[in-house]
Amino acid sequence: DADVTQTPRNRITKTGKRIMLECSQTKGHDRMYWYRQDPGLGLRLIYYSFDVKDINKGEISDGYSVSRQAQAKFSLSLESAIPNQTALYFCATSETGENYGYTFGSGTRLTVV
Amino acid sequence: AQSVTQLDSQVPVFEEAPVELRCNYSSSVSVYLFWYVQYPNQGLQLLLKYLSGSTLVKGINGFEAEFNKSQTSFHLRKPSVHISDTAEYFCAVTRVSGNTGKLIFGQGTTLQVKP
Repeated sequence: DADVTQTPRNRITKTGKRIMLECSQTKGHDRMYWYRQDPGLGLRLIYYSFDVKDINKGEISDGYSVSRQAQAKFSLSLESAIPNQTALYFCATSETGENYGYTFGSGTRLTVV
Repeated sequence: AQSVTQLDSQVPVFEEAPVELRCNYSSSVSVYLFWYVQYPNQGLQLLLKYLSGSTLVKGINGFEAEFNKSQTSFHLRKPSVHISDTAEYFCAVTRVSGNTGKLIFGQGTTLQVKP
């Protein structure tokens, strides 16, 4: 099984619908992140969480919300999807210390029509 | 705040030729540096990272990068590329002190290896 698992892998939804993207990890890391990838823009941070009670906005949080249900689970919600939220979404975890680094999920491709 | 600039959006190169993908960063504090690769329709895979120590970092698949603090650069190199290296490459930074874990990415460079 993958260390960071995202579901669904692909999703097409209609404008105005609520949608949730899910992420679970087996790394045991406290820190989790949601990124959005758009062509030519790289990845941009939406939200990040250091533990269940610590959730922070990233650079593009408008229109999104998150829930950290447990250390291993971090969900991203679009309350009312709009077409410019069509993108590839990545969940990631990170560890600190000597082995500082990030592990990314395989991504969720979301299309809003 | 930190920022990352990848100087080339696309780099075409012939198979077995050397390649350099350029990355410059801006930061008033010390940073950790990363290179990731994204193959078509896949997630991000870590190529290499610089945390401390030797400024020449060796990664997977024959890639290496050199941290140059004076020029605020972290260019990625490979002496001989293969068709299978065709992918998008991302440079990223995060601050060391007061680390929030926020990883800032460049715009990406598409490496196109031609036969």
